[in-house]
Amino acid sequence: EPEVTQTPSHQVTQMGQEVILRCVPISNHLYFYWYRQILGQKVEFLVSFYNNEISEKSEIFDDQFSVERPDGSNFTLKIRSTKLEDSAMYFCASSVLKDRDKNYGYTFGSGTRLTVV
Amino acid sequence: LAKTTQPISMDSYEGQEVNITCSHNNIATNDYITWYQQFPSQGPRFIIQGYKTKVTNEVASLFIPADRKSSTLSLPRVSLSDTAVYYCLVGDIMGGGKLIFGQGTELSVKP
Repeated sequence: EPEVTQTPSHQVTQMGQEVILRCVPISNHLYFYWYRQILGQKVEFLVSFYNNEISEKSEIFDDQFSVERPDGSNFTLKIRSTKLEDSAMYFCASSVLKDRDKNYGYTFGSGTRLTVV
Repeated sequence: LAKTTQPISMDSYEGQEVNITCSHNNIATNDYITWYQQFPSQGPRFIIQGYKTKVTNEVASLFIPADRKSSTLSLPRVSLSDTAVYYCLVGDIMGGGKLIFGQGTELSVKP
């Protein structure tokens, strides 16, 4: 079964440092996403990406965040200057447009646990 | 996006059938109902999706009444490994839209 791969699985960084979280979506998928989950809380949408541009972003996704698909296979989330409150699990997901009559679902990666100290 | 309401937690025993009901009174005509499963420290995993009546796959069944204002995820003969959080999501699946997760239902399966 195809997988979404995320690296690293765990990242510890100092407050104020930049981090880049990496994802390899499923190869024939067209939509890419980042979600995050603070410990004990809900999974929250950050951003969606389609056709090499952001299609939607949440209030959480402020100027400190950026996404990029640098080479046609990787999809990255950059946090420019990390804060303590950025500590969370970050999940990458991908999906492909299908007919409404066909079952489909988003595929999530296993996540990167980001700890800001 | 339609708001969903589901129980915060449920307990079950191995071998039992578990039914988790989700209410979505404001579901729109184009909305589909999708259920995800999440284990601790893992990403959500797609379980099943439906629009109306009944859908069954190798892991679960989804029952949707005619008015579509609720849905029930049925897990047959659960095992300890089914202990997880189950999310009901409702939305128009076309166009790569975002998923809005609620708190989910924390299912605990006991021996």
